[in-house]
Parts: sequence; structure tokens; C-alpha cells
Amino acid sequence: GDSVTQTEGLVTLTKGLPVMLNCTYQTTYSPFLFWYVQHLNEAPKLLLKSSTDNKRTEHQGFYATLHKSSSSFHLQKSSVQLSDSALYFCALSEQVVGQLTFGRGTRLQVYA
Amino acid sequence: DMKVTQMPRYLIKRMGENVLLECGQDMSHETMYWYRQDPGLGLQLIYISYDVDSNSEGDIPKGYRVSRKKREHFSLILDSAKTNQTSVYFCASSSWTVSAETLYFGSGTRLTVL
Repeated sequence: GDSVTQTEGLVTLTKGLPVMLNCTYQTTYSPFLFWYVQHLNEAPKLLLKSSTDNKRTEHQGFYATLHKSSSSFHLQKSSVQLSDSALYFCALSEQVVGQLTFGRGTRLQVYA
Repeated sequence: DMKVTQMPRYLIKRMGENVLLECGQDMSHETMYWYRQDPGLGLQLIYISYDVDSNSEGDIPKGYRVSRKKREHFSLILDSAKTNQTSVYFCASSSWTVSAETLYFGSGTRLTVL
């Protein structure tokens, strides 16, 4: 079946530094990839999504590029802020079924 | 206003008691979901509902059942709750006609089973 792997459980950074959160996936179908962000005691919210190979998608300063050749959809930001501290989930949808499979999540902690 | 509402926000129950978690949405979305979130495990799908009385098991349905009698309302029921069902439960909804893969989540219910 489908699977999503996020290799880092916790990433800690000082504000102003760049960040990359890793996401790789496995599916036999045409993939649709997502990043959801969950701030403390809040609901997860969609951050960005893509199904187009090799096209950069951006939102709120974050960006990601779907690379089907390497089955990856890493989330990046050039300069993190304190408010970026949150739990980030990578998710995969089979376009035929439309059901999401979530990774385990990466907690990003930004320090002053 | 696009909203998914979950009640209650916090709930404490004893082992063996029945639990009802309620979820409503005001977007007329066809599809609704129940997930549980545990530390280090991410979001695990319990049940998915494609419309009224059209429910399917997710990845971890054991110990749970659902009810959807109106499109805007989706309930999760735990008959005889167990301590390993202590978790945070999220309801979500999506629409095939708008963007099937974009989920809108409620604020969650933190359930503790003693």
C-alpha cells in the first residue's frame, strides 16, 4: 500500500536559518502530495500541495517541489521565524481514491 | 464561514463506558473523516464517510463505529472504551467537487480513558 516517510521527528533551529523537512513516498498510482501544518493545540491546516512533477509550489514563504523520479516532496524555507514552530505532516493521496496517507510528522522548533 | 466543529474539546471517561464524539461541518462537503493522533504516529484514519450512510473502514477501525445520518454531521462511537483509545481525535471534511484532496480539520477532541 501507500506510505509516506518523514525521517526527522524533531528539527531545532535558530530563527533566520534555512530549513528542509524531508518527505519521501511510495505509491503505485499517480501521486498528489501535501504538507499540512499543525500549531500547538490547533487543527492541522493545509500548507501547500502539488501533483505536477518538477514544479515548485510556494505558500507563506514555504516551498516544495514534487520529484517523481526520487519520490520526494521536501518542504523548505529560506529563513525560519519563531512562528514557524509547529508540527508538519507530509501526506499522499492516490488520485483515484482521494484518501490521504499521512507521515508521522516532523516537529520544527525555532529558537530566538 | 468554512468550519468543522467538534464537540466536546476534552473528555474523560472510565474504561468500559460508551463514548460519543460529534462533528459538524457547514460546507456541505460530501466526504468526512475521523482520525486519531498519537505522539510519533501521525494521523491515522479510523473511518471515512463518502456521504450519508456510506461509510468505509480506514486503517484502524477496530473498536470504533460511526454514524452519518445527515451530510453535515458525522459521529464517532466507542462502545466500551479502552485505555488504549486515549488519544486526540480529529474530524475532517473534503469535497470532491471543489478539491477532493484538501481536508478541513476540526479542532480535535482530547479523550482520556481511565
